[in-house]
Amino acid sequence: EIVMTQSPATLSVSPGERVTLSCRASQTVRNLAWYQHRPGLAPKLLIYDVSTRATGVPARFRGSGSGTEFTLTISSLQSEDFAVYYCQQYTNWPPWTFGQGTKLEI
Amino acid sequence: EVQLLQSGGGLVQPGGSLSLSCAASGFTFSPYAMSWVRQAPGRGLEWVSAISGSGSSTYYADSVKGRFTISRDNSKNTLTLQMNTLRADDTAIYYCAKDVRPASIFEGSCFDAWGQGTLVTVS
Repeated sequence: EIVMTQSPATLSVSPGERVTLSCRASQTVRNLAWYQHRPGLAPKLLIYDVSTRATGVPARFRGSGSGTEFTLTISSLQSEDFAVYYCQQYTNWPPWTFGQGTKLEI
Repeated sequence: EVQLLQSGGGLVQPGGSLSLSCAASGFTFSPYAMSWVRQAPGRGLEWVSAISGSGSSTYYADSVKGRFTISRDNSKNTLTLQMNTLRADDTAIYYCAKDVRPASIFEGSCFDAWGQGTLVTVS
């Protein structure tokens, strides 16, 4: 099983700031996705295949990385971006595995 | 518009059974693999089970293997998770989720549409 590790667990930031979230895989992965999860809502796919933005996702969200190290960058935080973000690998399955999440708080 | 509408869930005693359903609309259901993902209180997302578009291939997390059964009815555009021998650690919000790409041969993918979630409490 591939273990996904996200850092940091919590990030305190201000609107307008640029933020980078990290995700590390225990083995090389080729397929990685990022999700945004707001309280009371379903998770939302932001990025898939490492760097492809999902339909309707603003350009301020950018995914990058390769091998075992991946990042999600949000260029200018908006109020609606404060949420928990998860990475997920879908290279080696089952199981599909998620990171433990990074919470962005104001 | 793609929609996944979940039903089922609720409170059940340990050792009991429960069935979750997910009704799909707004897309052609049969080409897409589907999954169930859960979130226990205070925890992150955990993949539970997946099924191919045809229903011929199924996959389970070790934590639910032998207790949960995933199935689909492509004529009714519905996905089902039958949960038996439930335990306290199965308590979670359960989401159905749609693969981002259609596939004639099952391939692991990520999920671009999710149901609204349904709470299962085992107590």
